[in-house]
Amino acid sequence: GESVGLHLPTLSVQEGDNSIINCAYSNSASDYFIWYKQESGKGPQFIIDIRSNMDKRQGQRVTVLLNKTVKHLSLQIAATQPGDSAVYFCAENSNDYKLSFGAGTTVTVRA
Amino acid sequence: EPEVTQTPSHQVTQMGQEVILRCVPISNHLYFYWYRQILGQKVEFLVSFYNNEISEKSEIFDDQFSVERPDGSNFTLKIRSTKLEDSAMYFCASTLRQNTEAFFGQGTRLTVV
Repeated sequence: GESVGLHLPTLSVQEGDNSIINCAYSNSASDYFIWYKQESGKGPQFIIDIRSNMDKRQGQRVTVLLNKTVKHLSLQIAATQPGDSAVYFCAENSNDYKLSFGAGTTVTVRA
Repeated sequence: EPEVTQTPSHQVTQMGQEVILRCVPISNHLYFYWYRQILGQKVEFLVSFYNNEISEKSEIFDDQFSVERPDGSNFTLKIRSTKLEDSAMYFCASTLRQNTEAFFGQGTRLTVV
């Protein structure tokens, strides 16, 4: 069955270093992917998205990479800041009407 | 910046009681969703709604659940007879079109006692 998952449940990173969060998906028909950030007690907040006709997309301090061959998605955060501490979820469009979320990676930024 | 708003932020209810969770999606959005998140777990899809009807629902969304868009701005989720396992954060989301960025509300924490 379809699934979206993350390779590691937690990531500890030194402030100022780059972070890489990984995600594997199994539905090869998915053509739209989103990374969300969720802070404690809040709703998911959009970070960046990418469609399957691209393999890289950059935002402000963030880059998403998509490898369709191995069904892998990653989020890179440059110069990680304390405010980046949160749970990060990848999500894929399982069909036109819903997103399927992965299990989440908790990122902790060390000062 | 436009946002999705949800009320109440926290709802405590007795098992077996009915609850209605309310959402105001972004005004020009056409697709509406409910998701839930049990504490410490991932976000799970419940239902999507477009053109005044359900587009898709998950196996979680059984006969105890219903959604409604009673007017041009509100989108509600009703649970008819709550169970302990319905305790979770419930998030409303909306999108302008299919397969575009989904904007989420801050959630309603439902506690069934």
